[in-house]
Amino acid sequence: AQSVTQLDSHVSVSEGTPVLLRCNYSSSYSPSLFWYVQHPNKGLQLLLKYTSAATLVKGINGFEAEFKKSETSFHLTKPSAHMSDAAEYFCVVSDKASGYSTLTFGKGTMLLVSP
Amino acid sequence: NAGVMQNPRHLVRRRGQEARLRCSPMKGHSHVYWYRQLPEEGLKFMVYLQKENIIDESGMPKERFSAEFPKEGPSILRIQQVVRGDSAAYFCASSPLEAGQNTEAFFGQGTRLTVV
Repeated sequence: AQSVTQLDSHVSVSEGTPVLLRCNYSSSYSPSLFWYVQHPNKGLQLLLKYTSAATLVKGINGFEAEFKKSETSFHLTKPSAHMSDAAEYFCVVSDKASGYSTLTFGKGTMLLVSP
Repeated sequence: NAGVMQNPRHLVRRRGQEARLRCSPMKGHSHVYWYRQLPEEGLKFMVYLQKENIIDESGMPKERFSAEFPKEGPSILRIQQVVRGDSAAYFCASSPLEAGQNTEAFFGQGTRLTVV
């Protein structure tokens, strides 16, 4: 069965400093991996996705993530945080172990950005 | 092309009443997923439907919950005899193919159900 572990429930950074949100996954098959962002009382927006092409994936708003199979990780990074990045971030894994694709969410990491 | 539309955005029900949550997928999308988000939790899968068929309902409670995606009209998540523990945000997602393998799922803004 597939699973996702987001190692930090909260991450606090200052505006202008780098962001690192950690994600480890478990999957029996070649997975697809996603990061979604949820702003307060809003829906989920896709930041980026990995689907077995380049291991370094660039997303919207300056975010990127690197797929490391040997470490089963898919950490999300951004060189310089902006106040508008404050939100909850979800790492998501998908595989076809059950015969069709399903999405499994991590518990989320709340990113707090201070001035 | 409008995004995934969920309504209502907020729903208040008294214990014992029924709650009906609607989801209109994006145009051309025939795959619909429902998720539930409890406070301090990620999104938990409930049910996966294609037009007129339930593909996987393994995440749905066995009692009081049902889902449908008719040939015409929106997908409906129905909760009968609601209890306080049903209070949560319910998100719907749609995709043109099975979401996941090279295909992203597009999410609605959710329905926040409060049971009083």
